[in-house]
Amino acid sequence: GAVVSQHPSRVICKSGTSVKIECRSLDFQATTMFWYRQFPKQSLMLMATSNEGSKATYEQGVEKDKFLINHASLTLSTLTVTSAHPEDSSFYICSAAYGGRLDGYTFGSGTRLTVV
Amino acid sequence: SQQGEEDPQALSIQEGENATMNCSYKTSINNLQWYRQNSGRGLVHLILIRSNEREKHSGRLRVTLDTSKKSSSLLITASRAADTASYFCATDGQAGTALIFGKGTTLSVSS
Repeated sequence: GAVVSQHPSRVICKSGTSVKIECRSLDFQATTMFWYRQFPKQSLMLMATSNEGSKATYEQGVEKDKFLINHASLTLSTLTVTSAHPEDSSFYICSAAYGGRLDGYTFGSGTRLTVV
Repeated sequence: SQQGEEDPQALSIQEGENATMNCSYKTSINNLQWYRQNSGRGLVHLILIRSNEREKHSGRLRVTLDTSKKSSSLLITASRAADTASYFCATDGQAGTALIFGKGTTLSVSS
């Protein structure tokens, strides 16, 4: 149980275009989801926390107009990278805390974004 | 934001040897967890230790937690080539808040 499905797993896009990444909780309701970014050979950096039905909370240094987060339902959160540039190329991972066990977290399988 | 350092940053050992990785964090925690990540892949949850626990075992894994020093260690005994991966500790300040990851240790086990 407590599975988060993340799509796409890989995407290559042209500079200046936008890319949407989806994370769906398959068997539980995720009121809160977390989005991370990971550059090569580095750790996961928290980008933002998204709450169903309200605005996301962004970490310092993360441009909210560039990384649009929508959490319109209890099972879906999306991250849109707008006007992507090569420096946005990274591994993006979503996560959700799931109920029943307050210490439970589940992660999507990640999206490898390459901007050319 | 990141909690702190992990050391060593990189560790190379032979199969059968033990591998010890350390993690330090800065703020009060609810739980501390360890994850493994194979190159280019997602995260695999290894073990969780609660803030009121000092040691925990799971198979070949042993985790310790010292809240007074704000540090944790992960010991992998009798390592295998398949253990080659990056290992991260992650903490949450309270239940349901985002996990904050350490910088990670890259482990290489050669046969």
